[in-house]
Amino acid sequence: AQSVSQHNHHVILSEAASLELGCNYSYGGTVNLFWYVQYPGQHLQLLLKYFSGDPLVKGIKGFEAEFIKSKFSFNLRKPSVQWSDTAEYFCAVNPGNNRKLIWGLGTSLAVNP
Amino acid sequence: NAGVTQTPKFRILKIGQSMTLQCTQDMNHNYMYWYRQDPGMGLKLIYYSVGAGITDKGEVPNGYNVSRSTTEDFPLRLELAAPSQTSVYFCASTPGTQNTEAFFGQGTRLTVV
Repeated sequence: AQSVSQHNHHVILSEAASLELGCNYSYGGTVNLFWYVQYPGQHLQLLLKYFSGDPLVKGIKGFEAEFIKSKFSFNLRKPSVQWSDTAEYFCAVNPGNNRKLIWGLGTSLAVNP
Repeated sequence: NAGVTQTPKFRILKIGQSMTLQCTQDMNHNYMYWYRQDPGMGLKLIYYSVGAGITDKGEVPNGYNVSRSTTEDFPLRLELAAPSQTSVYFCASTPGTQNTEAFFGQGTRLTVV
């Protein structure tokens, strides 16, 4: 079955630390890839997305993600986190022409000031 | 720019009561989804619809019903509320074409007591 794995369930960082959140998926064909962010008490918002082209995509608020096809991965990175990045981060994959997104379980990030 | 609108934002139900969670979108999107989000469990798809008059079950449809009489509206019905349905519910929509992301409503926090 198609699945998305997020390796880190809870991450605690200090401000200015670098961030990398792992995301792997199981599907061999063409995929669309997404990272969503959910700030405390809010709904999910798109952080960035990959459809095709340059495998390094840049999103809002200084986030970026790299699609590595050979590793079935789409890891999220940020060089220097801020307290305001405290949120839950979800990786999602749309495999082929599937009508449904496949979601990871999410990673809770806490940034200490 | 309303996007996806959900009502109500909060609701407390007694066991056995019924209610309808409303979802409407003004983006003329074909696809609409209902998810529930429980702590540490990510997003679980309840039902989805690919157009007016067409609905299909997701991962966790038991205890819920949906209808899609118009493109704009996709209400979720709980007939006999149970404590296991205590959750945060999100409605989302996408145009239905490839290479597009999902847009989410603000969520409904439901407690069944």
